[in-house]
Amino acid sequence: SQTIHQWPATLVQPVGSPLSLECTVEGTSNPNLYWYRQAAGRGLQLLFYSVGIGQISSEVPQNLSASRPQDRQFILSSKKLLLSDSGFYLCAWSWGGTYGYTFGSGTRLTVV
Amino acid sequence: SQQGEEDPQALSIQEGENATMNCSYKTSINNLQWYRQNSGRGLVHLILIRSNEREKHSGRLRVTLDTSKKSSSLLITASRAADTASYFCATASGAGSYQLTFGKGTKLSVIP
Repeated sequence: SQTIHQWPATLVQPVGSPLSLECTVEGTSNPNLYWYRQAAGRGLQLLFYSVGIGQISSEVPQNLSASRPQDRQFILSSKKLLLSDSGFYLCAWSWGGTYGYTFGSGTRLTVV
Repeated sequence: SQQGEEDPQALSIQEGENATMNCSYKTSINNLQWYRQNSGRGLVHLILIRSNEREKHSGRLRVTLDTSKKSSSLLITASRAADTASYFCATASGAGSYQLTFGKGTKLSVIP
């Protein structure tokens, strides 16, 4: 069976510090991978998605970036965090739009 | 941008009652999906209904889709306290349907 791991669960970072959130998927190959952000009490905003190694599509211009160095690894990064980057970050995978998504457990990021 | 809009934003019912949540969207879709999110956790896929389907069942869940009205409803029958969560609809549209666009969700509280 397929599993998705996302870490860390919580993170408190000062403004201007770098960020690296990691997501890995097990039990499948060539998944579509996604990073979403959820502000408090809001819906999910798609940040990045990837259909293959090295292929990253960005949905929202911002100071975040994503990379997919391996087939089942998806990394969300920032060189300098802003207060507005605080939120709940969710990684997900799917086999495509005709299938449901499987989400990780999320990372609560607080920028102080 | 937000595609699905859930209604109501919040719903409070007694255990054993049925809960109905609605979702409206703006553009043509390939499929529509419903997800559940417990507080502070990742989203869990509940059910997917394709654009050529009108109704789908899964256990105590019943989903309907009306493409002419661009709307969907999620019915949870005989609700339980464990059903307390936020429920999101998400739409997949466009070639490849690589992205899901989520609404802001309905917060359901089931009172024991």
